[in-house]
Amino acid sequence: EIVMTQSPATLSVSPGERATLSCRASQSISGNLAWYQQKPGQAPRLLIYGSSTRATGIPARFSGSGSGTEFSLTISSLQSEDFAVYYCQQYNKWPLTFGGGTKVEIK
Amino acid sequence: EVQLVESGGGLVQPGGSLRLSCAASGFTFSSCEMSWVRQAPGKGLEWVSHISSSGTTIYYADSVKGRFTISRDNAENSLYLQMNSLRADDTAVYYCARPLYSGGYQIFNYWGQGALVTVSP
Repeated sequence: EIVMTQSPATLSVSPGERATLSCRASQSISGNLAWYQQKPGQAPRLLIYGSSTRATGIPARFSGSGSGTEFSLTISSLQSEDFAVYYCQQYNKWPLTFGGGTKVEIK
Repeated sequence: EVQLVESGGGLVQPGGSLRLSCAASGFTFSSCEMSWVRQAPGKGLEWVSHISSSGTTIYYADSVKGRFTISRDNAENSLYLQMNSLRADDTAVYYCARPLYSGGYQIFNYWGQGALVTVSP
């Protein structure tokens, strides 16, 4: 199975600052990577798929990049509603696998 | 509007069984692959099982293979997860999830609200 590793586990950022989250795959997944945001008590929300395509309704401050085994999610200027846990997911091969998550917290 | 509503969660003893349901609406259910994804308390997301639109192709995570069975009733617009031989580490919120595009990559754009399954004596 493809192991997805996210770093850091926790990211402390001040509102208005830039945040960069990383996700590494244990083998190449081409560009078949999605990012999700999850807030407490809520279901995950799709942010990015195809490594860099924003889902419908996702603000432009969210951007994704990468291919092969190295990926990143950047939030250009953190808003209060962006403090949450973020997960990456590969859909290149079964079984589908998620990263362990990065919690973005207020500094 | 796409809606996915899970039901059937609850408290069950180790070794017991439970059946989750997911009622789908707002889209052509019979054309869509579906999955179950779970999340243990305070932990990350774990994909559990997938079923094709016709029900002929099914995948399971190794952690549930041989114990869980996914199924669907396209006439009833419903997805199911039969969980047998439950263990404490099956305790989680179980989400049903639908991909962004039918017949495409498993990118989950639609999620239910989740059903909590607690396995405890």
